[in-house]
Amino acid sequence: SQWGEENLQALSIQEGEDVTMNCSYKTYTTVVHWYRQDSGRGPALIILIRSNEREKRSGRLRATLDTSSQSSSLSITAAQCEDTAVYFCATDASSGSWQLIFGSGTQLTVMP
Amino acid sequence: EAAVTQSPRNKVTVTGGNVTLSCRQTNSHNYMYWYRQDTGHGLRLIHYSYGAGNLQIGDVPDGYKATRTTQEDFFLLLELASPSQTSLYFCASSMGLYAEQFFGPGTRLTVL
Repeated sequence: SQWGEENLQALSIQEGEDVTMNCSYKTYTTVVHWYRQDSGRGPALIILIRSNEREKRSGRLRATLDTSSQSSSLSITAAQCEDTAVYFCATDASSGSWQLIFGSGTQLTVMP
Repeated sequence: EAAVTQSPRNKVTVTGGNVTLSCRQTNSHNYMYWYRQDTGHGLRLIHYSYGAGNLQIGDVPDGYKATRTTQEDFFLLLELASPSQTSLYFCASSMGLYAEQFFGPGTRLTVL
């Protein structure tokens, strides 16, 4: 799982396997963003799931959101080498000044 | 397609130096953000703005100033750079607070 100041997590899988990354957050959130960051580039959004949605799919990606446990997950089905990247979750937090809080990220390596 | 550009892409300065990082977006987005990313950690918000002349404080503002001169341009200023500010800096823009953020390619800053 990723959150807050935890160090970057690392996962290594074989091509064709399924993988799930987890994210927990501390306060009520209205939206969870999942970003992927390729080496040497800025993050790019891959899925955005709102608090009134329990699941969202995009191709081989599936995100879930459980507001009761304050957690979200991102699953990749039949991972491919090009899925190798760092994956971040981010949730909105409002404590006086709004901001999007990013998790520490999961480094996913898919090996051929 | 949304476009966020940053300059310079790399910058080396000495302790006590004066540095300005530039960001331009051509998305007509209201919100712009400055983040820093340190090895093994997620992104941390420094400052953000919801329009020309507006500035909001993020999570790690100490040692940084920012200015939004137009809807397109957002600058990050380090007036007395310190080695602790060595980091990878990302600019991003979004239409709204909870909307997808589009990131620039990043500026790698080294303070000797």
